[in-house]
Amino acid sequence: DIQMTQSPSSLSASVGDRVTITCQASQDINNFLNWYQQKPGKAPKLLIYDVSTLETGVPSRFSGSGSGTDFTFSISSLQPEDIATYYCQQYEDLPLSFGGGTKVEIK
Amino acid sequence: QVQLIQSGAEVKKPGASMKVSCKTSGYTFINYSFHWLRQAPGQRLEWMAWINPGNGNTKYSHNFQGRVTISRDTSATTAYMELSDLRSEDTAVYYCARGLGAGSYTPFDYWGQGTLVTVSS
Repeated sequence: DIQMTQSPSSLSASVGDRVTITCQASQDINNFLNWYQQKPGKAPKLLIYDVSTLETGVPSRFSGSGSGTDFTFSISSLQPEDIATYYCQQYEDLPLSFGGGTKVEIK
Repeated sequence: QVQLIQSGAEVKKPGASMKVSCKTSGYTFINYSFHWLRQAPGQRLEWMAWINPGNGNTKYSHNFQGRVTISRDTSATTAYMELSDLRSEDTAVYYCARGLGAGSYTPFDYWGQGTLVTVSS
């Protein structure tokens, strides 16, 4: 099984700050990497798929990059509505798997 | 608009079975894959299974040791997930999710609201 490791597990930043989250796969996942946002009590929401493609309607302050086993998710200017937990997910192989999540809070 | 509406919360005893439904609307049911996932309290999301609604093909995570069965009713545009031999560690919110495409290897672009299943004696 492919293991996904996210860091940090939590972070606190000010409104307007740039926020960066990393995700490492246990093997090459051929860029089959997605990012989701989950707010408390809600289902996850797809933000980015295939490493860097923004889902329709997602603000351009969200972005993704990387290749092979190492990936990065960024929020260019943190907004209050971005408070959530963010997960990476691979779909290179079954079972599909997620990172442990990064909880983003406002400082 | 695309909607996935799941059945309500359940409380089950250890050893029992559970069945969650996911009624879809707003798109052509057979053209998109369907997945089931779960999230135990404070834990990461866990993928359970996939079904191609068009032909009924399924794939399962080996982590459930044959306890999970998924199905669909194309006339009702509804998918189902059954989990047997429930244990306390199966307490979780269960989600259905649509795949961004027909295959089993896809992102999940629409999700149900989640169904809380509590396993307790």
